[in-house]
Amino acid sequence: DIQMTQSPSSLSASVGDRVTITCRASQGISNFLAWYQQKPGKVPKLLIYGASILQSGVPSRFSGSGSGTDFTLTISSLRPEDVATYYCQQFNSDPLTFGGGTKVEIK
Amino acid sequence: QVQLVQSGAEVKKPGASVKVSCKASGYTFTGHYIHWVRQAPGQGLEWVGWINPYSGATNDAQKFQGRVSMTTDTSISTAYMELSRLRSDDTAVYFCARDGLSSIPMDVWGQGTTVTVSS
Repeated sequence: DIQMTQSPSSLSASVGDRVTITCRASQGISNFLAWYQQKPGKVPKLLIYGASILQSGVPSRFSGSGSGTDFTLTISSLRPEDVATYYCQQFNSDPLTFGGGTKVEIK
Repeated sequence: QVQLVQSGAEVKKPGASVKVSCKASGYTFTGHYIHWVRQAPGQGLEWVGWINPYSGATNDAQKFQGRVSMTTDTSISTAYMELSRLRSDDTAVYFCARDGLSSIPMDVWGQGTTVTVSS
């Protein structure tokens, strides 16, 4: 199975800050990487797929990059509504696997 | 609009089975795989498996060791996930999610079904 490791597990940043979350795959997954946002008590929401393609309707302050084993999710200017847990997921091969999540809070 | 609506919360005893439904609307049901994902209380997301509604083919995570059965009824655009021989660590919210086209993963999610396993 492909293991997905996210870091940090949590972070606290100020409104307007640039926030970066990293995700590492235990083996190469090309660009078959997605990012999800889950707000407290809510359903996960697809933000980015193909490592860097923004899902329709997602604000442009979110961006993704990377290929192979190392990936990054960036929020260019953190807003209060971005408080959530973010998960990466590989969909290169079954079993699909998720990272452990990164909880983003406002300082 | 595209929507997945799941069945209501369940409380089961250890050793029992639970069957969760996921009714799709707003798109061609047989054109998209359905994934099942679960989330234990305070924990992360865990993939359970997928079903191809067109062919009926399935694949699930090995850790469930044959306890998971995924089916569909295409006449009513509904997917089902049955988990048998329930244990306390199966307590979780179970989500269904649609697999998008063109290498887009889980793009639409159901609202989740809470399954509680307790004696």
